[in-house]
Amino acid sequence: DGGITQSPKYLFRKEGQNVTLSCEQNLNHDAMYWYRQDPGQGLRLIYYSQIVNDFQKGDIAEGYSVSREKKESFPLTVTSAQKNPTAFYLCASRSLSGNTIYFGEGSWLTVV
Amino acid sequence: DAKTTQPNSMESNEEEPVHLPCNHSTISGTDYIHWYRQLPSQGPEYVIHGLTSNVNNRMASLAIAEDRKSSTLILHRATLRDAAVYYCILRDPLQPRQLTFGSGTQLTVLP
Repeated sequence: DGGITQSPKYLFRKEGQNVTLSCEQNLNHDAMYWYRQDPGQGLRLIYYSQIVNDFQKGDIAEGYSVSREKKESFPLTVTSAQKNPTAFYLCASRSLSGNTIYFGEGSWLTVV
Repeated sequence: DAKTTQPNSMESNEEEPVHLPCNHSTISGTDYIHWYRQLPSQGPEYVIHGLTSNVNNRMASLAIAEDRKSSTLILHRATLRDAAVYYCILRDPLQPRQLTFGSGTQLTVLP
Protein backbone atom coordinates (compact mmCIF):
# COMPACT_ATOMS: atom_id res chain seq x y z
CA ASP A 1 0.00 0.00 0.00
CA GLY A 2 1.14 3.54 -0.70
CA GLY A 3 1.85 5.81 2.20
CA ILE A 4 4.30 7.60 4.42
CA THR A 5 6.49 5.71 6.84
CA GLN A 6 8.10 7.40 9.79
CA SER A 7 10.65 5.75 12.03
CA PRO A 8 11.26 5.24 14.82
CA LYS A 9 7.87 5.62 16.47
CA TYR A 10 9.46 6.33 19.85
CA LEU A 11 12.94 7.71 20.44
CA PHE A 12 14.81 8.77 23.53
CA ARG A 13 17.75 11.11 23.32
CA LYS A 14 20.24 12.36 25.83
CA GLU A 15 20.81 16.08 26.04
CA GLY A 16 23.57 17.23 23.72
CA GLN A 17 23.02 14.48 21.16
CA ASN A 18 21.79 14.83 17.62
CA VAL A 19 19.08 12.47 16.44
CA THR A 20 17.67 11.79 12.97
CA LEU A 21 14.03 10.94 12.26
CA SER A 22 13.32 9.04 9.08
CA CYS A 23 10.48 9.79 6.64
CA GLU A 24 9.92 7.74 3.50
CA GLN A 25 7.02 7.98 1.04
CA ASN A 26 6.09 5.80 -1.92
CA LEU A 27 3.34 8.07 -3.20
CA ASN A 28 5.60 9.70 -5.81
CA HIS A 29 4.90 13.07 -4.20
CA ASP A 30 7.14 16.01 -4.96
CA ALA A 31 6.50 18.03 -1.79
CA MET A 32 7.40 16.85 1.69
CA TYR A 33 7.04 18.54 5.07
CA TRP A 34 8.05 18.24 8.70
CA TYR A 35 5.84 19.48 11.52
CA ARG A 36 6.26 19.59 15.26
CA GLN A 37 3.33 19.15 17.65
CA ASP A 38 3.44 19.84 21.39
CA PRO A 39 0.75 18.39 23.69
CA GLY A 40 -2.63 20.06 23.20
CA GLN A 41 -1.25 22.30 20.48
CA GLY A 42 -1.58 22.54 16.72
CA LEU A 43 1.10 21.66 14.19
CA ARG A 44 4.01 23.98 13.49
CA LEU A 45 5.99 23.81 10.26
CA ILE A 46 9.71 23.08 10.63
CA TYR A 47 10.92 22.58 7.05
CA TYR A 48 9.44 21.82 3.67
CA SER A 49 10.76 20.69 0.33
CA GLN A 50 9.14 20.88 -3.09
CA ILE A 51 11.84 19.19 -5.11
CA VAL A 52 14.91 17.05 -4.67
CA ASN A 53 17.97 18.94 -3.39
CA ASP A 54 15.91 21.94 -2.37
CA PHE A 55 14.20 22.80 0.91
CA GLN A 56 12.90 25.85 2.76
CA LYS A 57 12.67 26.85 6.42
CA GLY A 58 9.30 26.89 8.07
CA ASP A 59 8.24 28.77 11.18
CA ILE A 60 10.47 26.96 13.71
CA ALA A 61 13.55 25.76 11.79
CA GLU A 62 16.13 26.73 14.42
CA GLY A 63 17.85 23.68 15.86
CA TYR A 64 16.73 21.40 13.02
CA SER A 65 18.23 20.36 9.71
CA VAL A 66 16.94 18.37 6.74
CA SER A 67 18.14 16.89 3.47
CA ARG A 68 16.32 15.85 0.31
CA GLU A 69 18.71 13.71 -1.71
CA LYS A 70 15.97 11.42 -3.00
CA LYS A 71 12.37 12.16 -3.92
CA GLU A 72 11.00 9.57 -1.54
CA SER A 73 13.07 10.49 1.52
CA PHE A 74 13.13 13.58 3.75
CA PRO A 75 15.00 12.91 7.01
CA LEU A 76 14.91 15.41 9.87
CA THR A 77 17.85 15.88 12.23
CA VAL A 78 17.14 17.34 15.63
CA THR A 79 20.39 18.91 16.72
CA SER A 80 21.71 19.69 20.18
CA ALA A 81 20.97 23.35 19.42
CA GLN A 82 17.23 22.67 19.69
CA LYS A 83 16.47 23.74 23.25
CA ASN A 84 13.17 21.91 23.79
CA PRO A 85 13.13 18.96 21.41
CA THR A 86 10.68 16.75 23.30
CA ALA A 87 7.62 16.64 21.03
CA PHE A 88 5.59 14.67 18.50
CA TYR A 89 7.06 14.99 14.98
CA LEU A 90 4.95 14.54 11.85
CA CYS A 91 6.09 14.09 8.29
CA ALA A 92 3.74 14.81 5.40
CA SER A 93 3.74 14.82 1.64
CA ARG A 94 1.66 16.18 -1.20
CA SER A 95 1.53 16.03 -4.94
CA LEU A 96 2.21 19.51 -6.31
CA SER A 97 -0.87 19.19 -8.49
CA GLY A 98 -3.09 17.93 -5.67
CA ASN A 99 -4.84 19.46 -2.69
CA THR A 100 -4.62 16.67 -0.15
CA ILE A 101 -1.79 16.34 2.35
CA TYR A 102 -0.90 12.88 3.57
CA PHE A 103 0.66 12.39 6.99
CA GLY A 104 2.78 9.69 8.53
CA GLU A 105 1.97 8.14 11.89
CA GLY A 106 4.40 10.41 13.71
CA SER A 107 7.48 9.98 15.88
CA TRP A 108 7.66 10.72 19.59
CA LEU A 109 10.99 12.19 20.66
CA THR A 110 11.82 12.46 24.35
CA VAL A 111 14.96 14.05 25.71
CA VAL A 112 16.17 12.43 28.91
CA ASP B 1 -1.49 32.88 5.90
CA ALA B 2 -5.14 33.78 6.46
CA LYS B 3 -6.27 32.86 9.97
CA THR B 4 -9.11 30.59 11.06
CA THR B 5 -10.98 30.60 14.35
CA GLN B 6 -12.57 27.48 15.82
CA PRO B 7 -14.08 26.66 19.22
CA ASN B 8 -11.65 24.82 21.46
CA SER B 9 -14.05 21.97 22.18
CA MET B 10 -17.50 20.58 21.37
CA GLU B 11 -19.58 17.65 22.54
CA SER B 12 -22.07 15.53 20.68
CA ASN B 13 -24.19 12.51 21.40
CA GLU B 14 -23.59 9.35 19.43
CA GLU B 15 -25.66 8.99 16.24
CA GLU B 16 -26.62 12.66 16.24
CA PRO B 17 -25.42 15.22 13.70
CA VAL B 18 -22.49 17.46 14.57
CA HIS B 19 -21.85 20.92 13.17
CA LEU B 20 -18.29 22.15 13.61
CA PRO B 21 -17.94 25.87 12.84
CA CYS B 22 -14.97 27.77 11.47
CA ASN B 23 -14.56 31.50 10.92
CA HIS B 24 -12.14 32.80 8.31
CA SER B 25 -13.01 36.45 7.76
CA THR B 26 -9.69 37.26 6.01
CA ILE B 27 -9.98 34.50 3.42
CA SER B 28 -8.70 35.43 -0.02
CA GLY B 29 -10.35 34.60 -3.31
CA THR B 30 -7.91 31.78 -4.08
CA ASP B 31 -7.96 30.10 -0.66
CA TYR B 32 -9.47 26.63 -0.44
CA ILE B 33 -11.07 25.58 2.86
CA HIS B 34 -9.71 22.28 4.11
CA TRP B 35 -10.68 20.12 7.06
CA TYR B 36 -8.49 17.52 8.66
CA ARG B 37 -8.93 15.50 11.82
CA GLN B 38 -6.42 13.97 14.18
CA LEU B 39 -6.85 11.07 16.54
CA PRO B 40 -4.54 10.83 19.58
CA SER B 41 -0.94 9.99 18.73
CA GLN B 42 -1.69 9.77 15.01
CA GLY B 43 -1.06 11.99 12.03
CA PRO B 44 -3.92 14.19 10.77
CA GLU B 45 -6.29 12.67 8.25
CA TYR B 46 -7.92 14.49 5.34
CA VAL B 47 -11.68 14.96 5.70
CA ILE B 48 -12.92 17.31 3.00
CA HIS B 49 -12.19 20.54 1.17
CA GLY B 50 -14.01 23.13 -0.91
CA LEU B 51 -13.77 26.53 -2.54
CA THR B 52 -17.22 28.09 -2.92
CA SER B 53 -19.89 25.42 -3.24
CA ASN B 54 -21.01 23.01 -0.57
CA VAL B 55 -19.26 19.65 -0.79
CA ASN B 56 -20.21 16.14 0.24
CA ASN B 57 -18.17 12.97 0.56
CA ARG B 58 -18.48 9.69 2.40
CA MET B 59 -17.04 11.15 5.59
CA ALA B 60 -18.76 14.51 5.92
CA SER B 61 -20.31 17.56 4.31
CA LEU B 62 -18.85 21.03 4.08
CA ALA B 63 -21.17 24.03 4.08
CA ILE B 64 -19.54 27.28 2.95
CA ALA B 65 -21.14 30.65 3.61
CA GLU B 66 -22.02 32.74 0.60
CA ASP B 67 -19.41 35.38 1.53
CA ARG B 68 -16.91 32.58 2.32
CA LYS B 69 -16.06 34.11 5.66
CA SER B 70 -17.20 31.05 7.54
CA SER B 71 -17.78 27.36 6.98
CA THR B 72 -19.24 24.39 8.82
CA LEU B 73 -18.13 20.79 8.80
CA ILE B 74 -21.11 18.49 9.20
CA LEU B 75 -20.86 14.92 10.46
CA HIS B 76 -24.30 13.48 9.77
CA ARG B 77 -24.25 10.77 12.43
CA ALA B 78 -21.48 10.99 14.95
CA THR B 79 -19.87 7.77 16.12
CA LEU B 80 -17.39 7.19 18.91
CA ARG B 81 -14.69 6.85 16.26
CA ASP B 82 -15.33 10.44 15.20
CA ALA B 83 -13.91 11.74 18.49
CA ALA B 84 -10.83 13.69 17.40
CA VAL B 85 -9.36 17.15 16.98
CA TYR B 86 -10.77 18.80 13.84
CA TYR B 87 -8.69 21.39 12.03
CA CYS B 88 -10.08 24.01 9.66
CA ILE B 89 -7.33 25.31 7.37
CA LEU B 90 -7.09 27.71 4.46
CA ARG B 91 -4.80 26.95 1.60
CA ASP B 92 -3.92 28.83 -1.53
CA PRO B 93 -2.83 26.23 -4.10
CA LEU B 94 -0.71 28.87 -5.82
CA GLN B 95 1.47 29.29 -2.74
CA PRO B 96 4.24 26.73 -2.28
CA ARG B 97 4.37 26.90 1.49
CA GLN B 98 2.39 24.41 3.44
CA LEU B 99 -0.62 25.66 5.31
CA THR B 100 -0.76 26.33 9.01
CA PHE B 101 -2.61 24.12 11.46
CA GLY B 102 -4.08 25.93 14.47
CA SER B 103 -5.17 24.20 17.66
CA GLY B 104 -8.47 22.97 16.19
CA THR B 105 -11.68 21.79 17.89
CA GLN B 106 -11.62 18.79 20.20
CA LEU B 107 -14.80 16.82 19.49
CA THR B 108 -16.06 14.54 22.24
CA VAL B 109 -18.74 12.00 21.30
CA LEU B 110 -20.86 10.77 24.20
CA PRO B 111 -22.33 7.25 24.07
